[in-house]
Amino acid sequence: EVLLVQSGAEVKKPGESLKISCKTSGYNFITYWIAWVRQRPGKGLEWMGIIDPRDSDTRYSRSFEGHVTISADRSSRTAYLQWNSLKASDTATYYCARQAYSSSAALDPWGQGTQVIVSS
Amino acid sequence: DIQLTQSPSSLYASVGDRVTITCRASQPISKFLNWYQQRPGKAPNLLIYGATNLQDGVPSRFSGSGSGTEFTLTIYGLRPEDFGTYYCQQSYSPRTFGQGTKVEVK
Repeated sequence: EVLLVQSGAEVKKPGESLKISCKTSGYNFITYWIAWVRQRPGKGLEWMGIIDPRDSDTRYSRSFEGHVTISADRSSRTAYLQWNSLKASDTATYYCARQAYSSSAALDPWGQGTQVIVSS
Repeated sequence: DIQLTQSPSSLYASVGDRVTITCRASQPISKFLNWYQQRPGKAPNLLIYGATNLQDGVPSRFSGSGSGTEFTLTIYGLRPEDFGTYYCQQSYSPRTFGQGTKVEVK
């Protein structure tokens, strides 16, 4: 069974750093890209970026480039999303998802989500 | 970036109804369009990929159609577990999602 298990909820202050994780199992980690998606409270889904775990080639949505960093560790089969300086507007639930190898590039399966609250 | 516009933004329906949701792309995207369902408090779940292909394990009452700039998700015979929010997503260019369509109980 393919599983993506994300790290637990976080409460941080503005300006703090944070790294959340997405641990995968049940498939060849380097074969599929991993995407990150943001969902602010009560809002829709926003594509943040994607990483190829084979060589760490990373692509970011323009809205997120420069504010977050996506990385992957092949030895632990884990993808990461990190911030150097959080803002209150980063309060959201963050999902990781595996991107299909086919041309559809659909996201399946998804992690359970990591809630991040940034508040002073 | 390609914009996806879903309509309606919300709708009220009853169990057994046929529900249709439309997703329009700001430029042609062939069939690079996927649909997801999100139940409250849960992660999204893939329903349809490549505009028309039913994901394994998804009930056959879900159907996708369209190509180019106009796409449709139809639910034939709405069931209680189908209430939630539906999103389209394009994979033609830098990925984007539609704003979502919330399906609520009438």
